[in-house]
Amino acid sequence: AQKVTQAQTEISVVEKEDVTLDCVYETRDTTYYLFWYKQPPSGELVFLIRRNSFDEQNEISGRYSWNFQKSTSSFNFTITASQVVDSAVYFCALSSGFQGGSEKLVFGKGTKLTVNP
Amino acid sequence: EAQVTQNPRYLITVTGKKLTVTCSQNMNHEYMSWYRQDPGLGLRQIYYSMNVEVTDKGDVPEGYKVSRKEKRNFPLILESPSPNQTSLYFCASSQTGTRHSNQPQHFGDGTRLSIL
Repeated sequence: AQKVTQAQTEISVVEKEDVTLDCVYETRDTTYYLFWYKQPPSGELVFLIRRNSFDEQNEISGRYSWNFQKSTSSFNFTITASQVVDSAVYFCALSSGFQGGSEKLVFGKGTKLTVNP
Repeated sequence: EAQVTQNPRYLITVTGKKLTVTCSQNMNHEYMSWYRQDPGLGLRQIYYSMNVEVTDKGDVPEGYKVSRKEKRNFPLILESPSPNQTSLYFCASSQTGTRHSNQPQHFGDGTRLSIL
């Protein structure tokens, strides 16, 4: 069975602090994809990153970086120098299990990040 | 602009009164899906469709129906809504491809349903 665990339910930091959101996944597939989505207070889901299981290179996009480690089945997300606008719920998701031409997304329960001024 | 459009964005209604949440995408995507989001549970898949006239159950299909008569539209139907269907609903679409092509899903802005 596929499963995504985000152990941190809520995190609160002060602006300019670095913060890491943890994501641990389970799957029996050897090929799979991992995603991060952001849900700001307005409610929409914003796609941040997709990473396939064959690419363990870390990725950096501005203040965002992702650390993918197959050995520990983790795909952690770090925000450097956090800002108030980063306040949101962040979801990690696993795409595994063929579903007729696309892959079913299994979501973690989300981590609510609050960045205080 | 590429987008997934859901309507209504908000709805308060009563138990048993049939309702439909519409979903439309303009990206010519074959794959469409409905999710519900509940506090502490994340997002769970209700139904999905891999193409016109092809639909199948997700993880929590009870109490819902869907149809896919046109490629761009994938309405979610609650024939007899109940309070436990009060939730935030998302429609999503993506391109299909070969196994493990895993294109990102594009999400609508969500529909908040309250069933009294």
